[in-house]
Amino acid sequence: GAGVSQSPSNKVTEKGKDVELRCDPISGHTALYWYRQRLGQGLEFLIYFQGNSAPDKSGLPSDRFSAERTGESVSTLTIQRTQQEDSAVYLCASSSVPGQGVMEQYFGPGTRLTVT
Amino acid sequence: SQQGEEDPQALSIQEGENATMNCSYKTSINNLQWYRQNSGRGLVHLILIRSNEREKHSGRLRVTLDTSKKSSSLLITASRAADTASYFCATSRGNTPLVFGKGTRLSVIA
Repeated sequence: GAGVSQSPSNKVTEKGKDVELRCDPISGHTALYWYRQRLGQGLEFLIYFQGNSAPDKSGLPSDRFSAERTGESVSTLTIQRTQQEDSAVYLCASSSVPGQGVMEQYFGPGTRLTVT
Repeated sequence: SQQGEEDPQALSIQEGENATMNCSYKTSINNLQWYRQNSGRGLVHLILIRSNEREKHSGRLRVTLDTSKKSSSLLITASRAADTASYFCATSRGNTPLVFGKGTRLSVIA
């Protein structure tokens, strides 16, 4: 079946511009996660959605970052007024058990963001 | 911080040898998972071990968990060039999202 998809796969933007990154989770997965991974580093948790509950935004690094999710489907991560330090791979994952963290997460291929 | 820390940061071995990677964490957990990442893109789940388990096997993978030492190890036996990747441990506690370590970069030389 279809896995997690993300678009675009690569995005180059100028400093100060806004960008939107999209994630399509696996159908039926109630939990959706966004991570950031800088070059050679581990994954940094950003935000997660669990069904209709309020999202856990505790990992968002600044108010320039926001995310939305439509029901239990598509999610969009928006970065406003991008800075060079925002350059990273943004990974989305979904899982079938909301919020527990017990079940395995299925990852998309990521969006590589480069801010020039 | 709950963050897992993998050790070593990088490991280079010959094909056919065994590779051992370690992970340490700081707080109590419900489970620990290992993931693999090729070429800096999406991660693939390898194995999950629950806090009440001590050892688990999956094919050429063997994972141990020592909750008293807050540590886990991942052993890949009879390594292949295709095992070259970064390996991450991730911990879960209650309803918190997974917390990932910085990973071990494994190079298997043919």
